[in-house]
Amino acid sequence: GIQVEQSPPDLILQEGANSTLRCNFSDSVNNLQWFHQNPWGQLINLFYIPSGTKQNGRLSATTVATERYSLLYISSSQTTDSGVYFCAVEGRGGGSNYKLTFGKGTLLTVNP
Amino acid sequence: NAGVMQNPRHLVRRRGQEARLRCSPMKGHSHVYWYRQLPEEGLKFMVYLQKENIIDESGMPKERFSAEFPKEGPSILRIQQVVRGDSAAYFCASSPGSQEQYFGPGTRLTVT
Repeated sequence: GIQVEQSPPDLILQEGANSTLRCNFSDSVNNLQWFHQNPWGQLINLFYIPSGTKQNGRLSATTVATERYSLLYISSSQTTDSGVYFCAVEGRGGGSNYKLTFGKGTLLTVNP
Repeated sequence: NAGVMQNPRHLVRRRGQEARLRCSPMKGHSHVYWYRQLPEEGLKFMVYLQKENIIDESGMPKERFSAEFPKEGPSILRIQQVVRGDSAAYFCASSPGSQEQYFGPGTRLTVT
């Protein structure tokens, strides 16, 4: 099945700093989503971005499908941004349709 | 428009008991997915259902686990004769089709 790798696995920032999280995937995808799992365990949808660039406030994401990677940018980070960021993809065919395959996540800690 | 609803949020069962987890998809969504998050394994797909049909159960253990999505009412994930290794967070997601999946808050199952 499709493989998803996220980097870095851990990231510690001071409040106000910017960061870039990366997601590499091993095959063509129908869909790609970014999630934030907050300290209470809830999965929050950030972006649905199988290709192109999107922005939402301090967050933006870019997916280059032909090169099989996606980037999540966090600007002017806040302590409430802390948590785990997951990239998840839906592969094309070969039993990968519909199901999301998750990366292991990036644990972000933003210190005041 | 209410999001994906899951209940209970926390469930404690003794070894050998049955666990029933419920999921009500977002209004207008006919596709339901169950995922499990184990501490050392990350988020993994379990099963994909549409109304009255199991489409893909390739991620679900062959024994003790079953899922349904009846014509009326919520989707149910049922775990019979629970063991300690079943302790995990179980997430339900829904989508209107093969598109963005929206996740519920999860049910945290603890087996004692």
